[in-house]
Amino acid sequence: NAGVTQTPKFQVLKTGQSMTLQCAQDMNHNSMYWYRQDPGMGLRLIYYSASEGTTDKGEVPNGYNVSRLNKREFSLRLESAAPSQTSVYFCASRRGVGADYQPQHFGDGTRLSIL
Amino acid sequence: GQQVMQIPQYQHVQEGEDFTTYCNSSTTLSNIQWYKQRPGGHPVFLIQLVKSGEVKKQKRLTFQFGEAKKNSSLHITATQTTDVGTYFCAGPPTGTASKLTFGTGTRLQVTL
Repeated sequence: NAGVTQTPKFQVLKTGQSMTLQCAQDMNHNSMYWYRQDPGMGLRLIYYSASEGTTDKGEVPNGYNVSRLNKREFSLRLESAAPSQTSVYFCASRRGVGADYQPQHFGDGTRLSIL
Repeated sequence: GQQVMQIPQYQHVQEGEDFTTYCNSSTTLSNIQWYKQRPGGHPVFLIQLVKSGEVKKQKRLTFQFGEAKKNSSLHITATQTTDVGTYFCAGPPTGTASKLTFGTGTRLQVTL
């Protein structure tokens, strides 16, 4: 029972390079999320997908794009990486849609450094 | 937009001492969730509170939701080294239940 799987776990990029972070969940959850966590700080929402086929901006969407490929997979793309995007990225999923107060389940994170 | 603040940012206690973290939202919350993140790990859901004034206990952990549903607290009795980590509260912004705003977190360090 894998839960939420993120790949890669670590990545180093040069400024201007692009890459896609992958996230997949096997819990048949409807909602999926991408967060970034900077040292000593809380979690800030980048984008989320409340249900298959929809995506919405979170608190810090600039410089990122997302794709909800199917119910299981939600990817995050950095088109032109910048040093300010050095962070730990967490993907999360939640069973419910709307106001059912279900908790979020997190992956192990991707540690991304941009030089 | 909604802001969720936690105090203290950091606390260092000796094993056996009690610990409390406080969570304050700028807006009324429909519910509040608490998560724990161990060093180098990912956030893990602990509990959810929904009702005004609600109190829930998990062994040595006691969670409270304020009467006005704008604040919450987590109290740990007789801390252990296994309690080390960062504790986050989180609540949905006004008008939506599809996402959460996470608090700034309280990092707890426990030494023998």
